[in-house]
Amino acid sequence: DTGVSQNPRHKITKRGQNVTFRCDPISEHNRLYWYRQTLGQGPEFLTYFQNEAQLEKSRLLSDRFSAERPKGSFSTLEIQRTEQGDSAMYLCASSSLGGNTIYFGEGSWLTVV
Amino acid sequence: AQSVTQLGSHVSVSEGALVLLRCNYSSSVPPYLFWYVQYPNQGLQLLLKYTSAATLVKGINGFEAEFKKSETSFHLTKPSAHMSDAAEYFCAVSDRRSGAGSYQLTFGKGTKLSVIP
Repeated sequence: DTGVSQNPRHKITKRGQNVTFRCDPISEHNRLYWYRQTLGQGPEFLTYFQNEAQLEKSRLLSDRFSAERPKGSFSTLEIQRTEQGDSAMYLCASSSLGGNTIYFGEGSWLTVV
Repeated sequence: AQSVTQLGSHVSVSEGALVLLRCNYSSSVPPYLFWYVQYPNQGLQLLLKYTSAATLVKGINGFEAEFKKSETSFHLTKPSAHMSDAAEYFCAVSDRRSGAGSYQLTFGKGTKLSVIP
């Protein structure tokens, strides 16, 4: 069990550019989550996968955001045409099917300048 | 809809003093409740969880929390604060819906704990 792995850990990008974050969940965890955390706030749910199926999407996930989990293992979160308001930490988490504990990764910091 | 309220965005205690971080929740169904800790520039680490077993839950690093249904509270305590406890603490409630059963979390805004030597 190597934990949830995220990369890159930090990304600085210019407004209007696209960025992609990758998440590798704990092996054999069927469920994968993306959260966003801005300064001074708790994490907010963005989206959830069970295996390769994206089952839930928050209203926070605008059409500039897309998440995939093509083979039910790692996931990517892409933000197109980044805006300064996208600056945040993007947290990935995973849990087992039937498990009631969600395990978080170290997060990926995005700064849009 | 579920929600979590953490009273006090910033709490300061002296080293060796009692730590008490308050959390109240709102949920239309019996909840799962969690406390996570976040050190600067890091992700979230699970401290403890309540999943409808014992109402007094013990976690890592000497922390514990008590689920009080009548008060809709899940306050976090530690008898004696250490310098290493300085961090931000988040209370979260889980949605235990049937069907997808995603157990997604709704977090409070966090309480930053400072420990004074």
